[in-house]
Amino acid sequence: SQTIHQWPATLVQPVGSPLSLECTVEGTSNPNLYWYRQAAGRGLQLLFYSVGIGQISSEVPQNLSASRPQDRQFILSSKKLLLSDSGFYLCAWSVLWSSTDTQYFGPGTRLTVL
Amino acid sequence: KQEVTQIPAALSVPEGENLVLNCSFTDSAIYNLQWFRQDPGKGLTSLLLIQSSQREQTSGRLNASLDKSSGRSTLYIAASQPGDSATYLCALMNAGNMLTFGGGTRLMVKP
Repeated sequence: SQTIHQWPATLVQPVGSPLSLECTVEGTSNPNLYWYRQAAGRGLQLLFYSVGIGQISSEVPQNLSASRPQDRQFILSSKKLLLSDSGFYLCAWSVLWSSTDTQYFGPGTRLTVL
Repeated sequence: KQEVTQIPAALSVPEGENLVLNCSFTDSAIYNLQWFRQDPGKGLTSLLLIQSSQREQTSGRLNASLDKSSGRSTLYIAASQPGDSATYLCALMNAGNMLTFGGGTRLMVKP
């Protein structure tokens, strides 16, 4: 069966510090991968998605970047965190590009920037 | 650009009551509509997926409907239980396999 992992589960970082959040998927090959952010009082916002190794698309301009060094690994990074980067970060995966496909979400990382 | 609205933002009901959550969207050119459940501090769990050509889907006590012409979907929960307490998110999939989420409805079922 497929599983998706995210770490760390929680993170408290000072403004201006770097960030690296990791997401890995097990039990499937060549998944589509997604990074979402859920800020307090706001909906779920798609940040990045990837259809293959080294292929990253950004949905919104921001302070963050994403990379996919391996087929089932997706990393979210920042060189210098801002207060506005605080939120709940969710990674998700899907397989098919079809009307019957859903996305499967990881447990999330709670990031607090102070 | 797709915009998804969920009403109400929060709902509190006594156990056993039947309830309806609402979702409206602006762009009817969708591949599917999905309802997710999110427990506090957790990821999302897919509940129901309605394809663009379908009108409704059922799973246990849950029934979701889709009316593309009016840009509306409802999630009906029968005989609500305290374990149903969570945030329910509606999401639309457009071309490119991208999901656009509503703001969610936070449900509290009181014993």
